[in-house]
Amino acid sequence: RKEVEQDPGPFNVPEGATVAFNCTYSNSASQSFFWYRQDCRKEPKLLMSVYSSGNEDGRFTAQLNRASQYISLLIRDSKLSDSATYLCVVNSHGGATNKLIFGTGTLLAVQP
Amino acid sequence: DTGVSQNPRHKITKRGQNVTFRCDPISEHNRLYWYRQTLGQGPEFLTYFQNEAQLEKSRLLSDRFSAERPKGSFSTLEIQRTEQGDSAMYLCASSSTPGTGGPGANVLTFGAGSRLTVL
Repeated sequence: RKEVEQDPGPFNVPEGATVAFNCTYSNSASQSFFWYRQDCRKEPKLLMSVYSSGNEDGRFTAQLNRASQYISLLIRDSKLSDSATYLCVVNSHGGATNKLIFGTGTLLAVQP
Repeated sequence: DTGVSQNPRHKITKRGQNVTFRCDPISEHNRLYWYRQTLGQGPEFLTYFQNEAQLEKSRLLSDRFSAERPKGSFSTLEIQRTEQGDSAMYLCASSSTPGTGGPGANVLTFGAGSRLTVL
């Protein structure tokens, strides 16, 4: 089983739609969670960190369910510029190591 | 430019040749990571350094791969006797140590990557 699993998509949605991405992780000791965005042929960039209480940044809402080892990202009122791959990222915590493990990414295509 | 810098941006080589990539992290970041990404996949962890110490290496990092960060600043990733399966984007990222810089300390900032094509 992969440490971080995501639905690869693609998700094709019209402008203005609400879309949700899900992610599961296998390491119950993980402490840090993130969503990164990657545009085509570009490097990944941090979209938002995910906190236990859930957090919102404009049209983006992230949720964490530690009991189910599940992370979600909700995008409201989708824009054309939201088209990208969304990467779920979890730290692999253990002793001195603290590497970040990426999911395969979920491709979002927002249609006009 | 205060971001993460990688070079070369593109490298085309013949199978069996050696290649070396360089990464210059954000100067105040003490952690440096190497990832590899192929089409349709997320970045796969290869190795990371805290200052000059290499703290972890992935099983993906065969004995043909070696990474160094001799002075705790820039890092090099060398691939010896390249194979076609090594073709990928090699991404470098840096961060500050978790627990030392607030909530943002564990956030990776990536460079633009070095794309390797092995013919």
